[in-house]
Amino acid sequence: GAVVSQHPSRVICKSGTSVKIECRSLDFQATTMFWYRQFPKQSLMLMATSNEGSKATYEQGVEKDKFLINHASLTLSTLTVTSAHPEDSSFYICSAMKVAVSTDTQYFGPGTRLTVL
Amino acid sequence: GQQLNQSPQSMFIQEGEDVSMNCTSSSIFNTWLWYKQDPGEGPVLLIALYKAGELTSNGRLTAQFGITRKDSFLNISASIPSDVGIYFCAGGTNNNDMRFGAGTRLTVKP
Repeated sequence: GAVVSQHPSRVICKSGTSVKIECRSLDFQATTMFWYRQFPKQSLMLMATSNEGSKATYEQGVEKDKFLINHASLTLSTLTVTSAHPEDSSFYICSAMKVAVSTDTQYFGPGTRLTVL
Repeated sequence: GQQLNQSPQSMFIQEGEDVSMNCTSSSIFNTWLWYKQDPGEGPVLLIALYKAGELTSNGRLTAQFGITRKDSFLNISASIPSDVGIYFCAGGTNNNDMRFGAGTRLTVKP
């Protein structure tokens, strides 16, 4: 199997606070995880690629100091939204890459709904 | 970067009808994946295709990896109400780079 969990599933916070979201691959190791953001009725927008033991690679336009990513182990990546503002409210989804012999497949977590008041 | 064109954007069909959607690209991919996303959930992998020309089924779902490696289609036969959701295609290049289509929103009327 390939199960990816996210925690929390839903979080409401006050403006100015920081929020940490965890992404775990439960039954496989993932050297690479991805963080996406999704607005209502839109596709997945890749924010950053998280590599175990090294710095994350951010997509153009994504502030690395605002969205801190840490991939400390082969089964865990965290996304911290620092000094959150209402415009950061969104659905955040992580995925983990399961590496096979010559193919790579991404498995997604269930998502985290962030609401910043 | 590579762009994926997914169509149609939305479909409204009657229960029992067959559905077809596709993705095309100007670039070559080594992997084509199809996901389904229910409201408030993360995408769930439906079918993974790893070889040009490959035709794979998963229950009522059938997907094919185009021979040119630039396209893929997903068919759903005899649709049922629980098929409702957004379907995404994704093309991968084996270097941690995966591109997603904009999604096809499927509505099934009982």
